[in-house]
Amino acid sequence: EAGVAQSPRYKIIEKRQSVAFWCNPISGHATLYWYQQILGQGPKLLIQFQNNGVVDDSQLPKDRFSAERLKGVDSTLKIQPAKLEDSAVYLCASSLVRGYNYEQYFGPGTRLTVT
Amino acid sequence: AQSVTQLGSHVSVSEGALVLLRCNYSSSVPPYLFWYVQYPNQGLQLLLKYTSAATLVKGINGFEAEFKKSETSFHLTKPSAHMSDAAEYFCAVSTADSNYQLIWGAGTKLIIKP
Repeated sequence: EAGVAQSPRYKIIEKRQSVAFWCNPISGHATLYWYQQILGQGPKLLIQFQNNGVVDDSQLPKDRFSAERLKGVDSTLKIQPAKLEDSAVYLCASSLVRGYNYEQYFGPGTRLTVT
Repeated sequence: AQSVTQLGSHVSVSEGALVLLRCNYSSSVPPYLFWYVQYPNQGLQLLLKYTSAATLVKGINGFEAEFKKSETSFHLTKPSAHMSDAAEYFCAVSTADSNYQLIWGAGTKLIIKP
């Protein structure tokens, strides 16, 4: 079975520019997560979708970050405008359903550098 | 609130030696505990998980972990390190209180010396 796909793998932008990341979860997975992983830290959940609805976006900086999951499949995460502190790896994960007993499968991530 | 502490940001062992990566958690309700591995420039992969069945959990690649409630610990071990084990390892906790979201430790980078 195909894994979680993410693109691009790397992105370098200047501060105040905008950027978008794309994620295609494993087919049939209802739950999709976006994480931010800063170097030397564990992943931090930004937003969680169940199908095309938002379950939790309490840690998403909504003044600059937005995310959507059209038709409950693919998802995009956007940053506008970017700040230096947004430099991180952005990981997308999916699981069959929401719950502790359902493994989260991770994509390879997008490494963002803001200069 | 739940939290996870991983002792040691870097652990170095010789090839063939015992691997021990420490994880302590804080939770007021029964936890579900996970170990994930992250190889360079890759996403995270589940090694093993504890979900209130057996306290000794066996995972992939020869790793295992033991849940000790009295010590609030879930340490990861492997009897004999291999060069291919070099990676970053993350411990995470999930509870009903956290809406089953994963709360992550800061990670431990495992270095294998030849």
